[in-house]
Amino acid sequence: KAGVTQTPRYLIKTRGQQVTLSCSPISGHRSVSWYQQTPGQGLQFLFEYFSETQRNKGNFPGRFSGRQFSNSRSEMNVSTLELGDSALYLCASSLVAGGWELFFGEGSRLTVL
Amino acid sequence: KQEVTQIPAALSVPEGENLVLNCSFTDSAIYNLQWFRQDPGKGLTSLLLIQSSQREQTSGRLNASLDKSSGRSTLYIAASQPGDSATYLCAVDSGGGADGLTFGKGTHLIIQP
Repeated sequence: KAGVTQTPRYLIKTRGQQVTLSCSPISGHRSVSWYQQTPGQGLQFLFEYFSETQRNKGNFPGRFSGRQFSNSRSEMNVSTLELGDSALYLCASSLVAGGWELFFGEGSRLTVL
Repeated sequence: KQEVTQIPAALSVPEGENLVLNCSFTDSAIYNLQWFRQDPGKGLTSLLLIQSSQREQTSGRLNASLDKSSGRSTLYIAASQPGDSATYLCAVDSGGGADGLTFGKGTHLIIQP
């Protein structure tokens, strides 16, 4: 069965632009979480979606947003990009929300120039 | 606020050795603990999930233990192979998924052929 699919895998943007990243969870999984990974901060929780509702959000500014569609696919958006937003953005899916095993995609590597 | 620490940060051992990776967390009120491996430039691969009521989990040459009261987990790798070279990450779920996972910074493992 297919794993978590993230697109695009790599992208380069300039400061001030915005970006949208996409995540397709494992078939049957209804919860999608997003994480940011940087060399300095490691992996940090961005937000989790279940049944098209954001359950919670990590300590990130309002420029970071997301949504989930009825087929469980999710997108995250970062507006007014800053150099510090350069990171690997990882999406994870689980069967349902709340303490279940997470399965991660390969990530979208964003470089902001 | 939950904090997760992994020791050592890096480890290099000859092929065939048994080894132990350590993970400690500050708040023992957890739902579960998950071990992942990450290859360079890749996403995370789930290795083992230990629920808070469990003491250990095994998968092939891997064995993970959990001692909630002392805030510790260990990942034991038997008969190490060069293909085990990767970064191993420990993550704790303290809020039933609502707050995401809290990750350690990882142990970078190199198995020398």
